Amino acid sequence: DIQMTQSPSSLSASVGDRVTITCRASQNIISNLNWYQQKPGKAPKILIYSASNLQSGVPARFSGGGSGTDFSLTISSLQPEDFATYYCQQSYTTPTFGQGTKLEIK
Amino acid sequence: EVQLVESGGGLVQPGRSLRLSCTASGFTFSDHAMSWVRQAPGKGLESVAFISNRAFGGTAEYAASVQGRFTISRDDSKTIAYLQMSSLKTEDTGVYYCARGRYASSTFDYWGQGTLVSVSS
Repeated sequence: DIQMTQSPSSLSASVGDRVTITCRASQNIISNLNWYQQKPGKAPKILIYSASNLQSGVPARFSGGGSGTDFSLTISSLQPEDFATYYCQQSYTTPTFGQGTKLEIK
Repeated sequence: EVQLVESGGGLVQPGRSLRLSCTASGFTFSDHAMSWVRQAPGKGLESVAFISNRAFGGTAEYAASVQGRFTISRDDSKTIAYLQMSSLKTEDTGVYYCARGRYASSTFDYWGQGTLVSVSS
């Protein structure tokens, strides 16, 4: 299986901050990388697919980048509703997720 | 409107079996891959089983942690995906989500609300 490693595991930030979360795959997954947001007690929601494509309805402050083994999710200006846990997931082979990054209010 | 509704969760003893169902509506079910993703209490997401769409033959893939114990299947005529779980272990406890793949892919664009499976004696 392809291992996905996110960093950091947790992050404290303030409303209006720009934050970046990174995700590394254990082998080349080209651009088969997705990002999800999950809030407590809720199902995950897709934000970004194929590394850099914004899912319909997702605010433009979210963006994704990278290819091969190294990827990133950036939130350009944090809003109160963005405090959640974020997961990357590879869709190149049998799907696997990163361990998650919990974004908390500073 | 796309809807995925899971059912079949509950409390079960170790070693026993349980079958989860995911009833889908609002889209052409046979065109999409389906997956079961679980989340142990306080932990991250794990895709335990994935089944391709009709065009790709409905082939199944499993996480190593459930290989040989879990079976995913689909009934395109009823628009239901199933997860048959056997030889359950305490570590199988968690919320099980049904997720739709973006056509043949394992990019999960819609999710159900989840069903709780508790494995305990």
